[in-house]
Amino acid sequence: DGGITQSPKYLFRKEGQNVTLSCEQNLNHDAMYWYRQDPGQGLRLIYYSQIVNDFQKGDIAEGYSVSREKKESFPLTVTSAQKNPTAFYLCASSIKSRNTEAFFGQGTRLTVV
Amino acid sequence: AQTVTQSQPEMSVQEAETVTLSCTYDTSESDYYLFWYKQPPSRQMILVIRQEAYKQQNATENRFSVNFQKAAKSFSLKISDSQLGDAAMYFCAYKPQAGTALIFGKGTTLSVSS
Repeated sequence: DGGITQSPKYLFRKEGQNVTLSCEQNLNHDAMYWYRQDPGQGLRLIYYSQIVNDFQKGDIAEGYSVSREKKESFPLTVTSAQKNPTAFYLCASSIKSRNTEAFFGQGTRLTVV
Repeated sequence: AQTVTQSQPEMSVQEAETVTLSCTYDTSESDYYLFWYKQPPSRQMILVIRQEAYKQQNATENRFSVNFQKAAKSFSLKISDSQLGDAAMYFCAYKPQAGTALIFGKGTTLSVSS
């Protein structure tokens, strides 16, 4: 079945550590996105990528980094520079054309301990 | 900047009744796309309905319909014959013609009682 897989579902990080969230899709979508969800804040865009080896910052990119070496994969690294990383992270993908919706993974809950 | 506003943090409805969730947006573009997503307790984001701004006709998907008022920049979601399974957080989202990323509102939590 086609879809978007995020792993792990739950992730715990110690203060000062970098962690990487995985996102893989087999929908042959060009575009991929990372959103952060906090209570009462909706979904806020961290980074997005329209093609391989290219990505753009979203509204809250500070403290995060991404790579897009393969069309299927768009990992997100939460660095120690991110001051408040505890949140729910959602990865999405879409066909590049304008009129299509985004399809979402099941999310990763990151907690700093 | 393009923004999406959902002014109702929480709403409630009785089973079989109708409820309307509000959404307004701010843009200077004339062609764009609007979406409603549902996020149940599982937290999986599910597309409910999509509206293209150049289409005058309001979109409908079974019990879900929208009231799209382009001049007022309003995009409300009506749920008819509400069911317990409709209980979720609902997000309104906007996508510019340039086709970058969806811009989301802060969401409305809908509870359904029997």
